[in-house]
Amino acid sequence: DQQVKQNSPSLSVQEGRISILNCDYTNSMFDYFLWYKKYPAEGPTFLISISSIKDKNEDGRFTVFLNKSAKHLSLHIVPSQPGDSAVYFCAAVLGAGSYQLTFGKGTKLSVIP
Amino acid sequence: NAGVMQNPRHLVRRRGQEARLRCSPVKGHSHVYWYRQLPEEGLKFMVYLQKENIIDESGMPKERFSAEFPKEGPSILRIQQVVRGDSAAYFCASSLRPTEIYQPQHFGDGTRLSIL
Repeated sequence: DQQVKQNSPSLSVQEGRISILNCDYTNSMFDYFLWYKKYPAEGPTFLISISSIKDKNEDGRFTVFLNKSAKHLSLHIVPSQPGDSAVYFCAAVLGAGSYQLTFGKGTKLSVIP
Repeated sequence: NAGVMQNPRHLVRRRGQEARLRCSPVKGHSHVYWYRQLPEEGLKFMVYLQKENIIDESGMPKERFSAEFPKEGPSILRIQQVVRGDSAAYFCASSLRPTEIYQPQHFGDGTRLSIL
């Protein structure tokens, strides 16, 4: 039973355009959400997070939007760069004191020069 | 990658052998987590340890798998009598003490375990 779902295994975007990666979750008890970026043969790198009390968090080119009623979040990358090509994982935790990250299967982003 | 050191990076074992995976957390981090990633899957939580204590091993198979984080030295994930299904990437993460403000986990580059 997948509690965090990333339904698009892959996404291709032209350099300079916007990349939108989507994530859905089923557990309404999730309280905190994170995006990790992963290059081949490396570990996931923390990118950006959002608490359930917010609906948007921005960090440079990266913005995460949270729609609690739809149990949906998305990561926007603007403008996309070739170095952004990686697998992006959405993850969720049950609360600030929680530690068990529940990951989606990931979306492979390819940014075409 | 974020200071978490894992070794070896690649480990090949024959069925029935033992596999030992090591993880040194970011300096100053006292919380260690192990995750497993099967091919085409997301990472799955296995175990959470603090120094000399296993806090939560609910994600770890009941048999053949064990983990420790001794007072001195790295955290060790040990798999006895390995089987083909143990082939996966094993990632270690560490964090500061969980507080009211969520502390992101920082991951190592993983150990790729292959069972012949």
